[in-house]
Amino acid sequence: AQRVTQPEKLLSVFKGAPVELKCNYSYSGSPELFWYVQYSRQRLQLLLRHISRESIKGFTADLNKGETSFHLKKPFAQEEDSAMYYCALTTGANSKLTFGKGITLSVRP
Amino acid sequence: KAGVTQTPRYLIKTRGQQVTLSCSPISGHRSVSWYQQTPGQGLQFLFEYFSETQRNKGNFPGRFSGRQFSNSRSEMNVSTLELGDSALYLCASRPLAGSGYGYTFGSGTRLTVV
Repeated sequence: AQRVTQPEKLLSVFKGAPVELKCNYSYSGSPELFWYVQYSRQRLQLLLRHISRESIKGFTADLNKGETSFHLKKPFAQEEDSAMYYCALTTGANSKLTFGKGITLSVRP
Repeated sequence: KAGVTQTPRYLIKTRGQQVTLSCSPISGHRSVSWYQQTPGQGLQFLFEYFSETQRNKGNFPGRFSGRQFSNSRSEMNVSTLELGDSALYLCASRPLAGSGYGYTFGSGTRLTVV
C-alpha cells in the first residue's frame, strides 16, 4: 500500500528565509507526486506535479527515488506563502490520491 | 470556465439521518473523486467515478455511497449518519481517469452531525 509522510506539522520562518517542506513516500512502483496548497478560506489547489518539473510561485520539488522523497523548496519565503501544504501520491494502477497529513507554513514579516 | 461546484456548502444533520451531497465537475471533466477531510485523519479517499462507473473505492463503510450521472455530475450519499461523519467533504474532477491528470478541487461541503 502507498503512504505519504510529512514529518512536521508546522514550519515557521521569517520572510526572505529559505523553506523546505519535507515529504517522504512509500510505494514499490513509480508513483506520481504532487504538492497541493490550501490558503486560508480557499479551496485546495494544485501547486505542482513532479512530472512537469516546473517552478510555481518560486517553489520547486524534485523527486528523489533513492530516498523516496519529494521535498518542496523555495529559496526566499514570502508572507503570502503562509498556508497549509499537502504532499500527495497517485499511481498508474490506482488513481486515488493518497495525502500526507499536511504542514502549516507560517511566514513572519 | 467555472470550477468544481459543490452544494450545499454547509449541512447540519441529526444522527441516524441520511444526507446527499452534490458535485458538478469542470465542464469536460469526466472523472470525479470524493474525499473526506477531518482534523484527525486528514484527507481520505472515498471513491472515484468515471463515465458513470465507480473505478475505485476507499476504506469506508457501506453507508457511504455515490453515483455519477451521464453529464458527469456526481452525488454522494451517507446513510445512518454517525457523529464521526462530521467532516468537510471534497469533490475533485479531472479530464480523464488515470495518472498524468491533475485534480481540481471544489470548496467542499461541511457536514455537521449532531
